Amino acid sequence: GQQVMQIPQYQHVQEGEDFTTYCNSSTTLSNIQWYKQRPGGHPVFLIQLVKSGEVKKQKRLTFQFGEAKKNSSLHITATQTTDVGTYFCDISGAGSYQLTFGKGTKLSVIP
Amino acid sequence: DAMVIQNPRYQVTQFGKPVTLSCSQTLNHNVMYWYQQKSSQAPKLLFHYYDKDFNNEADTPDNFQSRRPNTSFCFLDIRSPGLGDAAMYLCATSRGSKLAKNIQYFGAGTRLSVL
Repeated sequence: GQQVMQIPQYQHVQEGEDFTTYCNSSTTLSNIQWYKQRPGGHPVFLIQLVKSGEVKKQKRLTFQFGEAKKNSSLHITATQTTDVGTYFCDISGAGSYQLTFGKGTKLSVIP
Repeated sequence: DAMVIQNPRYQVTQFGKPVTLSCSQTLNHNVMYWYQQKSSQAPKLLFHYYDKDFNNEADTPDNFQSRRPNTSFCFLDIRSPGLGDAAMYLCATSRGSKLAKNIQYFGAGTRLSVL
């Protein structure tokens, strides 16, 4: 099946610093989803990207889908302690019901 | 208001003693999923229902069964829990269309301990 590499695995930032996590696939994706899981919590859907080169923003979060639809990024501007958690990309395509998560990036924010 | 509700939040069972976890949803989604998540790992799909059609993942042990009596409810039965089955069990729902099924709404999970 499809595989995705998500980097970095861990990221520690000072509150107020920016943060970026990347997902890279060897194959062209039809769509990509991002989820956030807080410590002790459950995955929460953030965004779905479908179009080549798509950029979507949610407040301090910016999501990008690469022109070749093989990579994606999530960027957080000026992190806050509420941003702590693990961010997963999911590359499930049209034919799959199973979410195909990357290994996730665990974000820690130092106040 | 919670849209996908799992009960109980914490469940303790004994080795080999059957246990049932429940999930209900108010979203009227036609697809319901059960995932197992162990510490520091991504959720692993056990099975899903598309309406009444049950779809088992190839590597899901026979020890895990599921029932969906109606659109709103879905149950996970673990017939003989082993120590390796201790995990967080997550229920999720989605609509069944091409892109919408990749947008899943998770319940808060049931953390299962096996003694």
